[in-house]
Amino acid sequence: DQQVKQNSPSLSVQEGRISILNCDYTNSMFDYFLWYKKYPAEGPTFLISISSIKDKNEDGRFTVFLNKSAKHLSLHIVPSQPGDSAVYFCAASGINDYKLSFGAGTTVTVRA
Amino acid sequence: NAGVTQTPKFRVLKTGQSMTLLCAQDMNHEYMYWYRQDPGMGLRLIHYSVGEGTTAKGEVPDGYNVSRLKKQNFLLGLESAAPSQTSVYFCASKSTGTGGQPQHFGDGTRLSIL
Repeated sequence: DQQVKQNSPSLSVQEGRISILNCDYTNSMFDYFLWYKKYPAEGPTFLISISSIKDKNEDGRFTVFLNKSAKHLSLHIVPSQPGDSAVYFCAASGINDYKLSFGAGTTVTVRA
Repeated sequence: NAGVTQTPKFRVLKTGQSMTLLCAQDMNHEYMYWYRQDPGMGLRLIHYSVGEGTTAKGEVPDGYNVSRLKKQNFLLGLESAAPSQTSVYFCASKSTGTGGQPQHFGDGTRLSIL
């Protein structure tokens, strides 16, 4: 039973526009949420995270929003660039948990 | 700064053969993990270790064994490979701390079982 769900397998966006990636979770014990980015033939790399005590965290062009009541988070990329074309994984963890639960990923394609 | 290194990068096996995947990290991390990535399934945890000499089962442990004899190394073994184990395998490590500490990943091992 997948506890973290990314319901959109793919997203296509024009260069310069906003990319919005969504993630839903079912486990109310999750306290940390992380986004990873993965290029082909490489491992996932950490992008940005948010703890449950916040509803927004920003790092440059990347912003993550958390809605705990809806068990939903989203990643905004503004403006989208060709180098942002990759697979994005949402992941979640409890406060003292060693492990991460991953979503299935969303493939983002940024069109010129 | 190598980070997490996985060996080999590619391998083709026949059904029933055995092999060991090696993961090495140079960040002095306590925790290490093995995942498999399959299309549409995301990353699924196979086994993990919270310190030298310790291992634990993850989400999909059947058909795999692991060992953590040295802090920097985490080995994943397939005793009798099956076509269902065709996948891309990722190793990761992280320091101690809260669940918010990110894991650092290697570049993966692509394994095909014929």
